[in-house]
Amino acid sequence: QQKVQQSPESLIVPEGAMTSLNCTFSDSASQYFAWYRQHSGKAPKALMSIFSNGEKEEGRFTIHLNKASLHFSLHIRDSQPSDSALYLCAVSIGNNRIFFGDGTQLVVKP
Amino acid sequence: DAGVTQTPRHEVAEKGQTIILKCEPVSGHNDLFWYRQTKIQGLELLSYFRSKSLMEDGGAFKDRFKAEMLNSSFSTLKIQPTEPKDSAVYLCASSLLGEDTQYFGPGTRLLVL
Repeated sequence: QQKVQQSPESLIVPEGAMTSLNCTFSDSASQYFAWYRQHSGKAPKALMSIFSNGEKEEGRFTIHLNKASLHFSLHIRDSQPSDSALYLCAVSIGNNRIFFGDGTQLVVKP
Repeated sequence: DAGVTQTPRHEVAEKGQTIILKCEPVSGHNDLFWYRQTKIQGLELLSYFRSKSLMEDGGAFKDRFKAEMLNSSFSTLKIQPTEPKDSAVYLCASSLLGEDTQYFGPGTRLLVL
């Protein structure tokens, strides 16, 4: 069974800071790596995903994937108070069965 | 296109009651998932259906939890009998075959007294 672990559990950063969230996984056959964001009281929503080693940037958000290290990360540049949310990392071997981490609670203070 | 819909949004039950939660997936999606979310345990998979066939049934939840897909556009989750430890948010999600991204409904917040 795939094991997915996130760090840190929670994070408080000032507005404008760079935020880095980490995720490790156990199955080297994994093919889908994603971050979901869940604002308080709302449903989780896919933020961005990556399928091959390297990095992918979308606006202020960047994913880094290192399959050999069984690790990927999310970096948020110029963090905003609206980025405050629970961030869930998600991993799949490509069969639609996703394993989620327990989440990192991010608070961005104005 | 409508997203995933869930009803009711809130439910209060007495211990021992039977409750039924409902979910309608995104139209055309083949896979449907039921999750339970708590602060302590995070997201836990309860059931997973592909084209109405049960693919995975969360082992720890087999006893009192039963999910069904009555047709490709409607699923229910029955909890019988409810216990206070079942208090949580129950999320339904769907995805398209061949695409891993899951689309979540707004959830049902259940409180068992």
